[in-house]
Amino acid sequence: EIVMTQSPATLSVSPGERATLSCRASQSVSSNLAWYQQKPGQAPRLLIYGASTRATGIPARFSGSGSGTEFTLTISSLQSEDFAVYYCQIYNSWPPELTFGGGTKVEIK
Amino acid sequence: EVQLVESGGGLVQPGRSLRLSCAASGFTFDDYAMHWVRQPPGKGLEWVSGISWNSGRIGYADSVKGRFTISRDNARNSLFLQMNSLRPGDTAFYYCAKLSYDTSGYPTDWGQGTLVTVSS
Repeated sequence: EIVMTQSPATLSVSPGERATLSCRASQSVSSNLAWYQQKPGQAPRLLIYGASTRATGIPARFSGSGSGTEFTLTISSLQSEDFAVYYCQIYNSWPPELTFGGGTKVEIK
Repeated sequence: EVQLVESGGGLVQPGRSLRLSCAASGFTFDDYAMHWVRQPPGKGLEWVSGISWNSGRIGYADSVKGRFTISRDNARNSLFLQMNSLRPGDTAFYYCAKLSYDTSGYPTDWGQGTLVTVSS
């Protein structure tokens, strides 16, 4: 079983600053990694898939990088609407499991 | 526009059963795998179960294996989750999610969720 570890658990950032979120896999997952944003009372929203490809409609200030076991989500200049919880997630062809990290909460500093 | 609408949640006693439904629209339902993901209030996301486009591939998390059954009706554009022998630890928001491919992939769209509360 692959374990996904996100750090930090909470990130305090001022609006306009850069935020860097990390996700580590316990073994290589190639580039089969996605990032999601979740705001209170809402369903998760897909941001990034394939480790670095932005989903449709996602602003360019969101970028993903990494492969293998180390991944990063960067928000270049935080906007007020970006304060939320972010999850990384790996996906396999078989078995069809979706493994999520524990999440990083990005809060206003 | 993709729409996924879950229903069937509610308060249920431990040991009882509940059946969740997810009505899909805005895309060709039988082209995509579908999954259930749950989230206990205030906690993180946990994968529950997934089903390929033709029901040929099905998987379950260990925590629900033997108790939950996923199914789909492509003619009715609907996904289901039959939950038996419910436990307090099953209390969560349950989301249905459309995947990116017919057999696997990552969730591209999510429903708004339905809350299941297991308590006496």
